[in-house]
Amino acid sequence: RKEVEQDPGPFNVPEGATVAFNCTYSNSASQSFFWYRQDCRKEPKLLMSVYSSGNEDGRFTAQLNRASQYISLLIRDSKLSDSATYLCVVNNNFNKFYFGSGTKLNVKP
Amino acid sequence: GAVVSQHPSRVICKSGTSVKIECRSLDFQATTMFWYRQFPKQSLMLMATSNEGSKATYEQGVEKDKFLINHASLTLSTLTVTSAHPEDSSFYICSASPSGGAYEQYFGPGTRLTVT
Repeated sequence: RKEVEQDPGPFNVPEGATVAFNCTYSNSASQSFFWYRQDCRKEPKLLMSVYSSGNEDGRFTAQLNRASQYISLLIRDSKLSDSATYLCVVNNNFNKFYFGSGTKLNVKP
Repeated sequence: GAVVSQHPSRVICKSGTSVKIECRSLDFQATTMFWYRQFPKQSLMLMATSNEGSKATYEQGVEKDKFLINHASLTLSTLTVTSAHPEDSSFYICSASPSGGAYEQYFGPGTRLTVT
């Protein structure tokens, strides 16, 4: 079983839509969780860390469900510029990061 | 803050030659740096974890004698692809995790290696 699993998509949504991605992780001892965004042929950029209490940054909301071992990312009022691949990253306490394969989002006019 | 640079951004070399890629954390110290490889339309694959002042830890299947990693200081790690072959052509990305930070990683812009 993979450490981190994501639905590869693509998710094709119209501008203004709300879209949500989930990511499941297998190690219950995982400590830190992140969402990264990667544009085509570019490096991943940190979008947001995911805290136990959930956190929000503008149109983006991240949540952690430890009982079910998944994290989620909600994007409200999608923009064309949100089109990218979203990577879920999980870290256990030994400086080991596990990447999901990414979920591709296409926001269409 | 949290800027990571990589050099060169793009390199073309002949089969059999060696290529060195530098990764620098510009505004923070990084005890740990990571080297990844990404083939087209695939996800990042961790190659090795580099700790300042000690030997790198390589992932299974990654040849340590082919991919030489040196983490000489808290702001610099280098990856040398030795005796490069066309199948080594890929996008190589480094990342750095701030010392004492909350484990987030910051990525360099990547180096696109083409071996002819």
